[in-house]
Amino acid sequence: NAGVTQTPKFRVLKTGQSMTLLCAQDMNHEYMYWYRQDPGMGLRLIHYSVGEGTTAKGEVPDGYNVSRLKKQNFLLGLESAAPSQTSVYFCASSLTPGRGSPLHFGNGTRLTVT
Amino acid sequence: AQSVAQPEDQVNVAEGNPLTVKCTYSVSGNPYLFWYVQYPNRGLQFLLKYITGDNLVKGSYGFEAEFNKSQTSFHLKKPSALVSDSALYFCAVRDGEAAGNKLTFGGGTRVLVKP
Repeated sequence: NAGVTQTPKFRVLKTGQSMTLLCAQDMNHEYMYWYRQDPGMGLRLIHYSVGEGTTAKGEVPDGYNVSRLKKQNFLLGLESAAPSQTSVYFCASSLTPGRGSPLHFGNGTRLTVT
Repeated sequence: AQSVAQPEDQVNVAEGNPLTVKCTYSVSGNPYLFWYVQYPNRGLQFLLKYITGDNLVKGSYGFEAEFNKSQTSFHLKKPSALVSDSALYFCAVRDGEAAGNKLTFGGGTRVLVKP
């Protein structure tokens, strides 16, 4: 059981380039999330999805777009990368219903924008 | 709005000594509280949670946490720390009234257990 898988693991972009981060989960979870992790700031929610075909904005959505065309996949896109988007990106998923459901995290994508 | 504070950036403890990692929270509804641990180059792993019931909750790897409603705290504890407990620890809160099942994380506390 793979859990939550993120690809790629590492990426270096130049300012203005675009890319898509892929998240796949095999636990049949309804909810999926994208977070970014920056030193001393914990994890901040970028976008999330409560089911196939739905997306919603989190705390820091600017500069990112997402899509959830299939239940098991949640894609995060950067249309025009900026140095401020240098970060470690984590995808997570959780069951629903129940607010006691813990999140299951992938191992992250380390993105550097030069 | 919900928020979490972890007042210590780093906690140093000798192996075999008790370990405490502090967390305070703020929510408008009922709090759902979680602790996660992160090892280098890995994602966060769930340790334990408080939803309702006993104020002392037990989790993985010998960790426990005490919920204190009057102090709005949820401190993580381990009676006897191991070198392998060295990692980054995150407290998180979910507001019972909030939509989307969203978690808000604290800034993290790095634990260093010295042999």
